[in-house]
Amino acid sequence: EVQLVESGGGLVQPGRSLRLSCAASGFSFEDYAMHWVRQAPGKGLEWVSGISWNSVNLAYADSVKGRFTISRDNAKNSLDLQMNSLTAEDTAFYYCAKLRSKELSAAINYWGQGTLVTVSS
Amino acid sequence: DIQMTQSPSSLSASVGDRVTITCRASQGISNYLAWYQQKPGKVPKLLIYGASTLQSGVPSRFSGSGSGTDFTLTISSLQPEDVATYFCHKYNSAPPLFSFGPGTKVDI
Repeated sequence: EVQLVESGGGLVQPGRSLRLSCAASGFSFEDYAMHWVRQAPGKGLEWVSGISWNSVNLAYADSVKGRFTISRDNAKNSLDLQMNSLTAEDTAFYYCAKLRSKELSAAINYWGQGTLVTVSS
Repeated sequence: DIQMTQSPSSLSASVGDRVTITCRASQGISNYLAWYQQKPGKVPKLLIYGASTLQSGVPSRFSGSGSGTDFTLTISSLQPEDVATYFCHKYNSAPPLFSFGPGTKVDI
């Protein structure tokens, strides 16, 4: 069974940093691209960042480019999102998501349960 | 940049009704389109990928069609468990990358 478990969310002050992690199990993690997708409470889905199976291709939404960094460790079956210079607009549930392919141009077929990031003073 | 729109933004239908949701891309995206269902308080679930391929385990009353700029998700006979918000998702590499439609809320 595919499992994606996010951690690292919480309350953080504007301008500070936070690092999210996603522990993957139940599939061959090194064979699939991964995304981070966020959803503000009561709002729609917003794609944040993606990483190919071998970390060669990285992609970021314009809203987070230059502030967020995605990375993965295939040996540890883990996906990370380093978030710097956080603002209130970054407040959302952050979902770790597995794609159907090694590369980024694929649909998401599994989602984690999400971790809530709240940016507030 | 490619804009993704959905219509309607919400709808109310009866059990057994045929329901159609439309997703439109401002530029062609071939068949790089998926549909997700998100029930209240739950995470999204993949229904359709490649515009028309049904994800394994998804009931056959769901179907997708379209290519290029215009796409449709159809529920052939609406069931109570289909109450949810439905999102389309483009995943070709043209900017903005991997964006989602705004969603369509389906009620009974």
